[in-house]
Amino acid sequence: AAGVIQSPRHLIKEKRETATLKCYPIPRHDTVYWYQQGPGQDPQFLISFYEKMQSDKGSIPDRFSAQQFSDYHSELNMSSLELGDSALYFCASAGGGGLDTGANVLTFGAGSRLTVL
Amino acid sequence: GEDVEQSLFLSVREGDSSVINCTYTDSSSTYLYWYKQEPGAGLQLLTYIFSNMDMKQDQRLTVLLNKKDKHLSLRIADTQTGDSAIYFCAERGNNYGQNFVFGPGTRLSVLP
Repeated sequence: AAGVIQSPRHLIKEKRETATLKCYPIPRHDTVYWYQQGPGQDPQFLISFYEKMQSDKGSIPDRFSAQQFSDYHSELNMSSLELGDSALYFCASAGGGGLDTGANVLTFGAGSRLTVL
Repeated sequence: GEDVEQSLFLSVREGDSSVINCTYTDSSSTYLYWYKQEPGAGLQLLTYIFSNMDMKQDQRLTVLLNKKDKHLSLRIADTQTGDSAIYFCAERGNNYGQNFVFGPGTRLSVLP
């Protein structure tokens, strides 16, 4: 079965550079979530999109922005990178069913590991 | 705001049962989840339960929900070394796109 695809899997950047992470949700999933997981931490919610519109916003810094495109894939853009941005960035998707089914189950991608030097 | 709490560590012997506990504060939580994360990997959904249920069983996994006390537990029967991982409890409400709130994760170590 198709899963959530994230790219790149690994990314190394220097301080003050810009990075873009991409997420391709499971086909027919209409909701995408972005989470940031620092070393030894639980996933922290950044932002979510439902039907290409922002639906919820968490602890996303102003230096970060994201959007969901017409094909439902999403991109997380990070600018002026700081050392503290080094983390695993997870994308997850949900949807494709009624409230009792796929719409309320998050399927995670394998994550993109960002290292800022 | 919403908060989810878990104990951080649990050690059990292979073959024993593991019980991982979670408490949450949001009384409007509609769905509660258990995710498993192995080192360097993504989060894998193990099971979930609706707030109108008090128990769900799936093979070796049993989820118990005490909605009055806002307490969720995950019991793993016959724990194996392959069960060693971090287990995250998560909750969310009933709206599309609504945030899932995760607990800090419980690191389960299975001793031979």
